[in-house]
Amino acid sequence: EAGVAQSPRYKIIEKRQSVAFWCNPISGHATLYWYQQILGQGPKLLIQFQNNGVVDDSQLPKDRFSAERLKGVDSTLKIQPAKLEDSAVYLCASRLGGRLNNEQFFGPGTRLTVL
Amino acid sequence: SQQGEEDPQALSIQEGENATMNCSYKTSINNLQWYRQNSGRGLVHLILIRSNEREKHSGRLRVTLDTSKKSSSLLITASRAADTASYFCATDAGRSQGNLIFGKGTKLSVKP
Repeated sequence: EAGVAQSPRYKIIEKRQSVAFWCNPISGHATLYWYQQILGQGPKLLIQFQNNGVVDDSQLPKDRFSAERLKGVDSTLKIQPAKLEDSAVYLCASRLGGRLNNEQFFGPGTRLTVL
Repeated sequence: SQQGEEDPQALSIQEGENATMNCSYKTSINNLQWYRQNSGRGLVHLILIRSNEREKHSGRLRVTLDTSKKSSSLLITASRAADTASYFCATDAGRSQGNLIFGKGTKLSVKP
């Protein structure tokens, strides 16, 4: 089965510019997550979708970050404007859903460098 | 905020030796999961242990969970160079649809 796809794999921008990341989850997975992983740390959840609805966005810096999951499949995460501290790997993950399917499947990530 | 704290932060061993990593967490959980991250690759799920389980095995992996101490350990037996990676514990507190909180990870280096 195809895994979680993300693009681009790498992105370099200057501060105050905008950037968008795209994620295509595993087919049939109802739950989709975006994580931010700063170098040397574990992933931190930014936002969680169940189908096309937001379940948890409590840690999303909403003044600059936005995300959507139109039609409950693909998702995009946008940063506008970017700051130096946004340099990180942005990971997308998906999960089948239900109480017994707890494993999350991660994409390869997008490495963002803000100069 | 990060709930899990792995210990040690870094571990270097020889091929064939066993590697033990520990994880401590703060709040009650539904389950605890371990993930591996190779350099330049995404995270891969290794094993899940539920709050009512004390020990679980999967191949060369053995996970224990002590909910009274809020701690877990991951043992990799007969390590291989390919086991070189960062290992993260992640807790599911059951608040919302499998929302995981990851620790900072243990960086394991297995020398051939």
